[in-house]
Amino acid sequence: NAGVMQNPRHLVRRRGQEARLRCSPMKGHSHVYWYRQLPEEGLKFMVYLQKENIIDESGMPKERFSAEFPKEGPSILRIQQVVRGDSAAYFCASSGAGRDQPQHFGDGTRLSIL
Amino acid sequence: SQQGEEDPQALSIQEGENATMNCSYKTSINNLQWYRQNSGRGLVHLILIRSNEREKHSGRLRVTLDTSKKSSSLLITASRAADTASYFCAPGSGGSNYKLTFGKGTLLTVNP
Repeated sequence: NAGVMQNPRHLVRRRGQEARLRCSPMKGHSHVYWYRQLPEEGLKFMVYLQKENIIDESGMPKERFSAEFPKEGPSILRIQQVVRGDSAAYFCASSGAGRDQPQHFGDGTRLSIL
Repeated sequence: SQQGEEDPQALSIQEGENATMNCSYKTSINNLQWYRQNSGRGLVHLILIRSNEREKHSGRLRVTLDTSKKSSSLLITASRAADTASYFCAPGSGGSNYKLTFGKGTLLTVNP
């Protein structure tokens, strides 16, 4: 039973390019969450999605960042015109529906901006 | 949701000893979760304790919750070198208890 799959594991981009991070939730999970971990800091919530809907994007920067979870396929976190400060580890988690469902995390994508 | 504060920041013990980590939070919660993170990996869910529970066990793990003191503790018994990791607590509160917030964690080192 595969866990949460994120790819790529490492991504290098130059300033101004676009970064696309993918997340496939655990089988049977319809809730996806994205978190960002800056160096020497804990994970911070970015966005919560269900299929085709953004439920809470209160942790997303207002510009350049977007997320989607289409009916078919993985969830995508997209960062346009990347800057050095976007360098971080980005983690995806998924959960089932219902109260008190634990979130299961992928191993993250390490984004480096040159 | 709110961020929990783990204490101590670092803990070093010998294999076979018990390890205790603490978590404090500020406002009332619905539940509290503990996670583990090995270096370079994602978080692994360990245990969830609800606000109406005082103690919960899972294998060698024991979690306690004291809502009057707004604190929780994670006890790992008979530790192993493989338990070496960072441990985080995540209090869940309000209608957005899915919005986990993590602090800097406790770095546990278990020496063989």
